Amino acid sequence: GAGVSQSPSNKVTEKGKDVELRCDPISGHTALYWYRQSLGQGLEFLIYFQGNSAPDKSGLPSDRFSAERTGGSVSTLTIQRTQQEDSAVYLCASSLGAPGGQYFGPGTRLTVT
Amino acid sequence: DQQVKQNSPSLSVQEGRISILNCDYTNSMFDYFLWYKKYPAEGPTFLISISSIKDKNEDGRFTVFLNKSAKHLSLHIVPSQPGDSAVYFCAASAAGNNRKLIWGLGTSLAVNP
Repeated sequence: GAGVSQSPSNKVTEKGKDVELRCDPISGHTALYWYRQSLGQGLEFLIYFQGNSAPDKSGLPSDRFSAERTGGSVSTLTIQRTQQEDSAVYLCASSLGAPGGQYFGPGTRLTVT
Repeated sequence: DQQVKQNSPSLSVQEGRISILNCDYTNSMFDYFLWYKKYPAEGPTFLISISSIKDKNEDGRFTVFLNKSAKHLSLHIVPSQPGDSAVYFCAASAAGNNRKLIWGLGTSLAVNP
């Protein structure tokens, strides 16, 4: 079956604009995670969904960041009023639940100019 | 503070020899550990995992060893192949933490023909 897909693969935006990043998880995976990797940094957790609920938003860096998940499937990560420090690769992963491997999409490279 | 540490930023081995990648962690609540492989411009690919109730898990050329008392795990690749050249990330999760992955900074492995 299909793996995790993300769109767009690359996004260049001007500072102050809003962006939406999309994740399509593996069908049937109830858990969905967003991470990001900034230049020279490790991967950091952003938010976790179980079904459509987000019980853990502790990694979101500011209130400009939000995410939703609908139908227990597609998730959208929204960044409002983007700043240059938001430039990173945003990665989405899904899994069947704990414990187990999380399967990643190819990521969205966001560049804020 | 870095809860998952990969102290070797890079490793170079000859084709056919063993590659040993090391990882240390500080949080005793971690009970599930994973290794991922990452190529540039791609998302991490799940390789192998181990639960804290085990001390070894093997899958083909890949074996992960866990030493709970030392809070140390290692990934062995035998025999190493040029296609194994990539960045390897160690990650850990805890049942009480929604299974979000806490990542090391990675080790870049180069397997030379």
